[in-house]
Parts: sequence; structure tokens; C-alpha cells
Amino acid sequence: AAGVIQSPRHLIKEKRETATLKCYPIPRHDTVYWYQQGPGQDPQFLISFYEKMQSDKGSIPDRFSAQQFSDYHSELNMSSLELGDSALYFCASSLGSGSTEAFFGQGTRLTVV
Amino acid sequence: KNQVEQSPQSLIILEGKNCTLQCNYTVSPFSNLRWYKQDTGRGPVSLTIMTFSENTKSNGRYTATLDADTKQSSLHITASQLSDSASYICVVDDMRFGAGTRLTVKP
Repeated sequence: AAGVIQSPRHLIKEKRETATLKCYPIPRHDTVYWYQQGPGQDPQFLISFYEKMQSDKGSIPDRFSAQQFSDYHSELNMSSLELGDSALYFCASSLGSGSTEAFFGQGTRLTVV
Repeated sequence: KNQVEQSPQSLIILEGKNCTLQCNYTVSPFSNLRWYKQDTGRGPVSLTIMTFSENTKSNGRYTATLDADTKQSSLHITASQLSDSASYICVVDDMRFGAGTRLTVKP
């Protein structure tokens, strides 16, 4: 069965550069969640979208922005990258929000040097 | 103070034994509580999901319970296997993550 696809899997950027992470949810899933997991830390919720509209916002820095497109894929745009942005970025998708099961992608490992 | 706290932080058990992981939360009200299994460097994998009105949910050898009165959830793993070695994370409303319990199953 198709799973949540994230791209790229690995990304290396320099400080002050920009990065775009992509998330392709499971077909028919209309809800996307973004999480950031630093080394040795628990995942932190960044932002979520339902039906192309932002549904919840967590600890997403102002330097980051995200959107969900008409085909339900989502992109996380990160600007003015800092060393502290180095982390695993996970995307999850679900059909609807709340009490439906969410499925995670394999993550994008971002390294800022 | 984290709104979702898990215990123990780490646990070592022998293969074949059972174990129970705890999750205490202060989020109220909430719509759902999920337990995830996460292998190092991999995305979390959903084990169970419960709404606030559910008391128990099973998925194979995993059984989760929820007590909305005491704001506690537990994940019980029966007949542990070496492949159960991972972090188990309790998440409330998709946004509030516990720090996880690191389980190691030894032969």
C-alpha cells in the first residue's frame, strides 16, 4: 500500500540558505502534519493542514512557512537556515483530523552546516 | 512542564516477558491519544489510537488503555520480541508528544 512519501530523504544546506521539504500524503488523505525532531529529542509539532487550510500551528519559527496544495501534497519552506534547524522533519497524513489514524513518512534529515 | 509525561524513561526486559508503559497527560479536553513505536532515525509508526470515550484498544500484542478520569494511558506489550526494541511515544491530539519510553528487549 502507498505510504507517506517525503522528499528529499537527506538534505545538506549552509547557514542562511533556504530549503524546501515536500510531503506527499497517502492517496485520499486530506490532512497533513509536520514535525521536527532534533537529535535525541521528542518530535515537536510544527503545523498542520486540513483541506488545504492551516488547521493548527505549533512551534514553527517565523522563518518557516508551509502550505498544502490542491493535490494535498504539502511543502515546508525554510529560510535563513540556522545550525539549530538540523533535525529530522517528519510529515504525517490522515483522512480527516482528530480520531483517525495518522501515518508518518520516513522523514527528511536536514543538516545545516 | 510537559503536558504529556511518560514513564519509565527506559526499560530493559527479557524476550518473552510482558511490560507496561505509562503516559500521564494534563491536556483537557482532548480528542485523541495515540501510541507510536519509533525506531531510531525512522518515522513513528502508529500502534493504537483512542478517542476520549474509549477505554481500551488492542493491536496484536499491543494493548492500550485510557482512563479519562485519572488522565492516564498505558501501553501493555505481551510476549515481547527482540524487534520490540524501540521508543514508544504517547501523543495527545497529534500535537503534544511525550518524551517516549526507550524499550530494550534482550535475549
